[in-house]
Amino acid sequence: GESVGLHLPTLSVQEGDNSIINCAYSNSASDYFIWYKQESGKGPQFIIDIRSNMDKRQGQRVTVLLNKTVKHLSLQIAATQPGDSAVYFCAENPDNDYKLSFGAGTTVTVRA
Amino acid sequence: EAQVTQNPRYLITVTGKKLTVTCSQNMNHEYMSWYRQDPGLGLRQIYYSMNVEVTDKGDVPEGYKVSRKEKRNFPLILESPSPNQTSLYFCASSTLGADQPQHFGDGTRLSIL
Repeated sequence: GESVGLHLPTLSVQEGDNSIINCAYSNSASDYFIWYKQESGKGPQFIIDIRSNMDKRQGQRVTVLLNKTVKHLSLQIAATQPGDSAVYFCAENPDNDYKLSFGAGTTVTVRA
Repeated sequence: EAQVTQNPRYLITVTGKKLTVTCSQNMNHEYMSWYRQDPGLGLRQIYYSMNVEVTDKGDVPEGYKVSRKEKRNFPLILESPSPNQTSLYFCASSTLGADQPQHFGDGTRLSIL
């Protein structure tokens, strides 16, 4: 079965609000985590990543939080814009492994 | 422009007719990988390659083959396609491995009748 999963398959957000997308993982050996954004008809695009020696990392309008105690990962998007409408995937990579495991994805819809 | 190029983008074919999906990257990346995407399942890794002539199975390798004779190319081969291989396929590459951001192609939609 999947080692990485998302709590909610869909998320509807008002434009200008903050979005929080959650992800649970089960492999305690994972030490690298990454978020991708996939727009319709395109391949996934890298958003932000984090390694297990950190619990927070910030990018432009995005923040990833890692809670290793409960095996939880989240992506926060500040001031959500219409261009943020997409499917968001979390993925994990176990230590000393060349595989990457994806969650099922969360579809984010931004309301005007 | 840095990119991963897949061909064809769309293909409709019949059961048992061998097909190859090509993948090429122009970033001199060592790591390349193939994924399939099915509704509700996210992306699942089929095969990956750590470098030329070095490949290994992902989570769903059955029915697929790959080769890595050159650094830039990583074709996906379906020797005898079956309807359960109807899916959206993505090729990706990164500098060294799965613990780095991967660049993805735009996908190949395969329909096996």
